[in-house]
Amino acid sequence: QVQLQESGPGLVKPSQTLSLTCTVSGDSISSGSYYWNWIRQPAGKGLEWIGRIYTSGSTNYNPSLKSRVIMSVDTSKNQFSLKLSSVTAADAAVYYCASLHTSNWDGYFPHWGQGTLVTVSS
Amino acid sequence: DIQMTQSPSSLSASVGDRVTITCRASQSISSYLNWYQQKPGKAPKVLIYAASSLQSGVPSRFSGSGSGTDFTLTISSLQPEDFATYYCQQSYSIPPTFGQGTKVEIK
Repeated sequence: QVQLQESGPGLVKPSQTLSLTCTVSGDSISSGSYYWNWIRQPAGKGLEWIGRIYTSGSTNYNPSLKSRVIMSVDTSKNQFSLKLSSVTAADAAVYYCASLHTSNWDGYFPHWGQGTLVTVSS
Repeated sequence: DIQMTQSPSSLSASVGDRVTITCRASQSISSYLNWYQQKPGKAPKVLIYAASSLQSGVPSRFSGSGSGTDFTLTISSLQPEDFATYYCQQSYSIPPTFGQGTKVEIK
């Protein structure tokens, strides 16, 4: 089964760009079988879907973040990435990557990374 | 966006109790409703999908029901390992949205 692992800086300065990578194992990201998602969770709060990317590069972003988000796929490294620009304290959260199989019309997320904590501070 | 509202926000229960958590959508989502369990420091784990289908490997004491705008998650006999936070998620439309969570605590 698919396994996911997030990586990236744990500390980002206000107004700068948060950059995270999710490394996929157990399947090729080029297989075209999955949508690759980012979801975040501020400390003590609920879950917020950030967006998703398909192998082709096609993306869907949460309208609340769309102006600041860029997602990309690197098939040579079996990774996908998130960039969130102009961060503020409100962007501090645990960031998860998650997969959604293209045949999963029920739209639930069965596979998640362990999560990576991002702090925003100068 | 579709708003998901869970109730209660928290509850205290004893081992062996029957527990029910409610999730309401701001518009009809048919049966596109999923339930997750999250323990501290861990990623969410899917329990129920499509409102009432039990994910493989999840104990049968968990069940889900509902359609349209009103849904419930029931734990028939609470076990020590069930103390956690539970989230509903709608997958009817993009962006997928989650409820605010229900924390189940030990009484």
